[in-house]
Amino acid sequence: KNEVEQSPQNLTAQEGEFITINCSYSVGISALHWLQQHPGGGIVSLFMLSSGKKKHGRLIATINIQEKHSSLHITASHPRDSAVYICAVGGGATNKLIFGTGTLLAVQP
Amino acid sequence: EPEVTQTPSHQVTQMGQEVILRCVPISNHLYFYWYRQILGQKVEFLVSFYNNEISEKSEIFDDQFSVERPDGSNFTLKIRSTKLEDSAMYFCASSGPGTVQKTQYFGPGTRLLVL
Repeated sequence: KNEVEQSPQNLTAQEGEFITINCSYSVGISALHWLQQHPGGGIVSLFMLSSGKKKHGRLIATINIQEKHSSLHITASHPRDSAVYICAVGGGATNKLIFGTGTLLAVQP
Repeated sequence: EPEVTQTPSHQVTQMGQEVILRCVPISNHLYFYWYRQILGQKVEFLVSFYNNEISEKSEIFDDQFSVERPDGSNFTLKIRSTKLEDSAMYFCASSGPGTVQKTQYFGPGTRLLVL
């Protein structure tokens, strides 16, 4: 069983739609990370959170530590949001990241 | 804004050859990582490095792999004798200073192809 599970694996949305990507994990963590990977391959960190909720522009990330679950929301989605969104959990003495398989999001105009 | 850089962006090599992937972490960071992503698969942890020594390594990081911080700025990953299955995108990341529990900043990656 994967330590980090994401759903859905693929998501197609129309421009302007509200999008939710879910992440569940089974290990103890210090923090959960949401990352964005563009077709060229580069990875950008969006959020690091260990409790509650964080917001940056149209992106909102929430985490429920008791349920070991996090969600990434995108409001008023736009074609430029099209990317792979990856959930990763960090912890331990080195804070190595354990990655989910990612969610491929395509936002159509 | 400071960023992590990696060179080369692409490398093609023959099986059995040695390759060195280079990374320049953000200058005041203290914690360094290598990850890899085989095409179509998830990103996997290889190794973490702190205070000039390996702090953790995965099962993937066998004797064919080594890391070094030869000077104050570069952080390298060496694969001694490449195999076909080493073909992947390799990402360097760094974080810090202060506690290790911080956002990791990723480099753009090196795409390695072993023929």
